[in-house]
Amino acid sequence: QVQLVESGGGVVQPGRSLRLSCAASGFTFRNYGMHWVRQAPGTGLEWVAGIYDEVTNPYYADSVKGRFTISRDNSKNTLYLQINSLRAEDTAVYYCAKDRRYDTGAFDIWGQGTMVTVSS
Amino acid sequence: IQMTQSPSSLSTSVGDRVTITCRASQSINNYLNWYQQKPGRAPKLLIYAASTLQSGVPSRFSGSGSGTDFTLTISSLQPEDFATYYCQQSYSTPNTFGQGTKLEIK
Repeated sequence: QVQLVESGGGVVQPGRSLRLSCAASGFTFRNYGMHWVRQAPGTGLEWVAGIYDEVTNPYYADSVKGRFTISRDNSKNTLYLQINSLRAEDTAVYYCAKDRRYDTGAFDIWGQGTMVTVSS
Repeated sequence: IQMTQSPSSLSTSVGDRVTITCRASQSINNYLNWYQQKPGRAPKLLIYAASTLQSGVPSRFSGSGSGTDFTLTISSLQPEDFATYYCQQSYSTPNTFGQGTKLEIK
């Protein structure tokens, strides 16, 4: 079945880096836009970044621009999020999400989420 | 683009008709999506393009609106519908979400 499985979260010290992964299965990964959405504890959803293919420039929320890098490897059916210079405010559950088509911006499949805690 | 939902929370009962509103800070045509999220779970797409029901979503959910004002209606609330609902605009990046509306049992 269609599935997204995130990994790579954990407890990290401020200023360090982390790479999240999202393994996709059950659909033709290269045909769909993919996104990261985060949710800080007790708060709402925040779109973080999106990528449509391996050549088009990705998109980022202003709050993460310059520190986060989204990428994808279509040969491995995997989405990534590189997070540098981690801050306390980056503490959140990070979800990867699949666009329902190439670039509609509506996310029909979500992973279970991976928790990132930034703490010294 | 800022998305503002109202109310932030709502105490309701099984069988009630519920309407949640979402307002965009500028016109987004019909690029508006609705999600349901239950505690500890990932969000679930309910409606896309303002009024199109996602496959598998019960018909008691409906959406309407265009431009800046949108509504999500649940015609007869069921026990499994107590959750938090988010609107999201997909007109332009960043694809911003509303702050959420939490449906609570009265």
